[in-house]
Amino acid sequence: QQKVQQSPESLSVPEGGMASLNCTSSDRNFQYFWWYRQHSGEGPKALMSIFSDGDKKEGRFTAHLNKASLHVSLHIRDSQPSDSALYFCAASVPNSAGNKLTFGIGTRVLVRP
Amino acid sequence: DMKVTQMPRYLIKRMGENVLLECGQDMSHETMYWYRQDPGLGLQLIYISYDVDSNSEGDIPKGYRVSRKKREHFSLILDSAKTNQTSVYFCASSPGQTNTEVFFGKGTRLTVV
Repeated sequence: QQKVQQSPESLSVPEGGMASLNCTSSDRNFQYFWWYRQHSGEGPKALMSIFSDGDKKEGRFTAHLNKASLHVSLHIRDSQPSDSALYFCAASVPNSAGNKLTFGIGTRVLVRP
Repeated sequence: DMKVTQMPRYLIKRMGENVLLECGQDMSHETMYWYRQDPGLGLQLIYISYDVDSNSEGDIPKGYRVSRKKREHFSLILDSAKTNQTSVYFCASSPGQTNTEVFFGKGTRLTVV
C-alpha cells in the first residue's frame, strides 16, 4: 500500500477556476509535507511546503494540513493554463538526515482555456 | 544559477549492457538522491547519499549501485541492465536538513531493449 495516497488521479478545471488536490498519509512518522509540480519533460519542482497545522498561502496556491488525520490539501485559485502539470504530494520524517521524501503517485491537472 | 544537471538525457541500451548515469550540482549540497519515475508508481527512491562516500539504500536499490567521490557529482550504475529498468531516472540534491527543498534535474529517459 502506498504510504502517501493522492486523489483524484486527474482533474480538469476551466481557466480561472479552482483546483483542489488531496493527499493522505498512512504513516504517522511523516510530519513534513511538500507539494511538487512537474511539467511535461521536466523534473519535479517544489511548489510549497507545510509543516504546521492550518493553512499556508503562497500567491494563488493554498495548502492545508491536518496532522491529526494526516491529511494535506492543495487549492489552486484562478487556475491558469500554465498550471497544467502533474502534482505530487511528498512527505518526510522530521529530524532525519537528508530529506528523504516519499511521494504519492500524483494528480494530473488540466486547465481548459 | 542553482542547477542539477543530468547526462545523458536519453539513452537506449541492450539488455545485459552496463549503464552509467551521471549527475552534477552546483549548490554545494550535502545530500544527493537518485529516483526513478514510472507511470502509476510515482517517484521511488533508489539511493541517497549524505556526502562523499556516505551512501545509503533507498526503497528500491536492487540492481543499482552508486558512486559519490566528489560532493558535486553522483553517479548511478546499472550492472547488466534489465528490461524492467526502463524508466525515467531523476537525480536530486538538497542541503542536509530534513525541512529543506529538494532540487531535481530534468531526468534521463533510459530504454533497455
